[in-house]
Amino acid sequence: GQNIDQPTEMTATEGAIVQINCTYQTSGFNGLFWYQQHAGEAPTFLSYNVLDGLEEKGRFSSFLSRSKGYSYLLLKELQMKDSASYLCAVRDSGGGADGLTFGKGTHLIIQP
Amino acid sequence: ETGVTQSPTHLIKTRGQQVTLRCSSQSGHNTVSWYQQALGQGPQFIFQYYREEENGRGNFPPRFSGLQFPNYSSELNVNALELDDSALYLCASSLAGWEVSKTQYFGPGTRLLVL
Repeated sequence: GQNIDQPTEMTATEGAIVQINCTYQTSGFNGLFWYQQHAGEAPTFLSYNVLDGLEEKGRFSSFLSRSKGYSYLLLKELQMKDSASYLCAVRDSGGGADGLTFGKGTHLIIQP
Repeated sequence: ETGVTQSPTHLIKTRGQQVTLRCSSQSGHNTVSWYQQALGQGPQFIFQYYREEENGRGNFPPRFSGLQFPNYSSELNVNALELDDSALYLCASSLAGWEVSKTQYFGPGTRLLVL
């Protein structure tokens, strides 16, 4: 089984930097994903990590440490439109299915 | 836009009824996964289909069933609806095979309300 933990809510200021942490306990591991979800909409893919280290994509970066069961999503130069829920998800390594196990999401509020 | 579409967008049913939700995958994708997302929660994996066969299932009872068609479109069927089935139902398509990440791309979802 899998257990994914991330903070329920965070607040940050427009133009600043915020780091959203995710810890996981899994029976297997085959990749970690971050998704952004605006209220009432579908999750949209942000990043994928399968090896340790930092992946950078524009204003968004994601880090993974497999030995610690830990990841973070870093958002720079925050904009009001970044107000959303951020979902951490792990793919199990077992079997043929690639179903993702999601955390409950971190609701990020951006203030002017 | 992910190219994944779902229908209908909203649906109201009563307890005990049956419902069919539909999903059209992104062009070229051969795998579809279905998720249930209750309000304030992360999506929960229901099952996945690859080449028209179920190849993985989460912790959902057999009254949740699915189909995948040769054109990779998919259906989720739920029988004997219960009040707790009220949720956003998301399908996600991906490409099995050479693509290492097998990133799943989500459709806009169907919001189901069971009264």
